[in-house]
Amino acid sequence: DQQVKQNSPSLSVQEGRISILNCDYTNSMFDYFLWYKKYPAEGPTFLISISSIKDKNEDGRFTVFLNKSAKHLSLHIVPSQPGDSAVYFCAASDIQNNDMRFGAGTRLTVKP
Amino acid sequence: DAGITQSPRHKVTETGTPVTLRCHQTENHRYMYWYRQDPGHGLRLIHYSYGVKDTDKGEVSDGYSVSRSKTEDFLLTLESATSSQTSVYFCAIRDSSGTEAFFGQGTRLTVV
Repeated sequence: DQQVKQNSPSLSVQEGRISILNCDYTNSMFDYFLWYKKYPAEGPTFLISISSIKDKNEDGRFTVFLNKSAKHLSLHIVPSQPGDSAVYFCAASDIQNNDMRFGAGTRLTVKP
Repeated sequence: DAGITQSPRHKVTETGTPVTLRCHQTENHRYMYWYRQDPGHGLRLIHYSYGVKDTDKGEVSDGYSVSRSKTEDFLLTLESATSSQTSVYFCAIRDSSGTEAFFGQGTRLTVV
């Protein structure tokens, strides 16, 4: 049973515009949420995270929003750049149980 | 880059043969994870370890076993490989005080 869901397999945006990637989760025990970026033939790399006690975390062009009541989080990239083209994975962690679950990923393409 | 090395990087094996993948870290992190990446499924947790000789099952553990006899090494074994285990396997590590995990470069396993 997929506890973390990314329902959009792909997203295409124009350079300079905003990219919004969405993620939903079902397990209310998750208390930490992360976004990873993955290029082909490489391992995923950590991008940004948010604790369940916050509703927003910003790092440069990247902002993650968390809506606990809806069990939903989103990653905003502004402005989008061609180098942002990659697969983005949403992850959720239950710190007490030490595991970390991932969504299926969203392939972002930023067109010049 | 976090000090994580996966070996081998590529392997082709025949159905029914045993296969062992190795994850080696130089960071002395407590937690280690094995994931598999498949199209449409993202990253799925196979097994994880929270210390030497302490391991637990993830969401897709059937057909896999793990061992951790030293802090730095986490081995994933396919006792009798099947074609459904053809995948890209990623190892990840996480510090006790940290929240994000760091990934290795991956092992592409093909079972023919």
